[in-house]
Amino acid sequence: EVQLQESGPGLVKPSQSLSLTCSVTGYSITSNYWGWIRKFPGNKMEWMGYISYSGSTSYNPSLKSRISITRDTSKNQFFLQLNSVTTEDTATYYCARYVRVRDVMDAWGQGASVTVSS
Amino acid sequence: DTVLTQSPALAVSPGERVTISCRASESVSTLMHWYQQKPGQQPTLLIYLASNLESGVPARFSGSGSGTDFTLTIDPVEADDTATYYCQQSWNDPFTFGSGTKLEIK
Repeated sequence: EVQLQESGPGLVKPSQSLSLTCSVTGYSITSNYWGWIRKFPGNKMEWMGYISYSGSTSYNPSLKSRISITRDTSKNQFFLQLNSVTTEDTATYYCARYVRVRDVMDAWGQGASVTVSS
Repeated sequence: DTVLTQSPALAVSPGERVTISCRASESVSTLMHWYQQKPGQQPTLLIYLASNLESGVPARFSGSGSGTDFTLTIDPVEADDTATYYCQQSWNDPFTFGSGTKLEIK
């Protein structure tokens, strides 16, 4: 059974970079696609982007200048970096497996709460 | 971006039938999916491609629709179904989510 777990700092200062790790067990990240989604206070959810089994990436255009998703296949982990954060980036960040053939996120991590504040 | 509109909240009694709607601002074909999120937990997939039940999800849940109008039905509702339900489309880039419907079981 695939399991995903987010980790990273819970507090980031404005203008700095937010960095999160998603550790995957029970499934290789060299198969399928792997994405990041965030949920803002007030419950709005936003698709941020994904990295594919081959390492190619796709990002939400609203974030394209600030986001980077990378991976370490030797550790079966993938990463989110979001630059130049503001208080509007305060959210719970989820990593998920994106199954392209069904076009859905069928497994999610428990989420990492990140607050942007000085 | 494709906007998905959901009613904010519903309250029903156990044993009743409930329908949760999701309307898209433009056609998404049948690339609409439904997730359940219980308080303090991550979202879980219920229905994919408008009407396909995810493995392990009770048959009380069903989905229908195409184009711009979609429905998630729970019949009969149980107390454990208290959660927020989100629709999500994958036809148009970027993927977008509805604002969620909070279901309360009386």
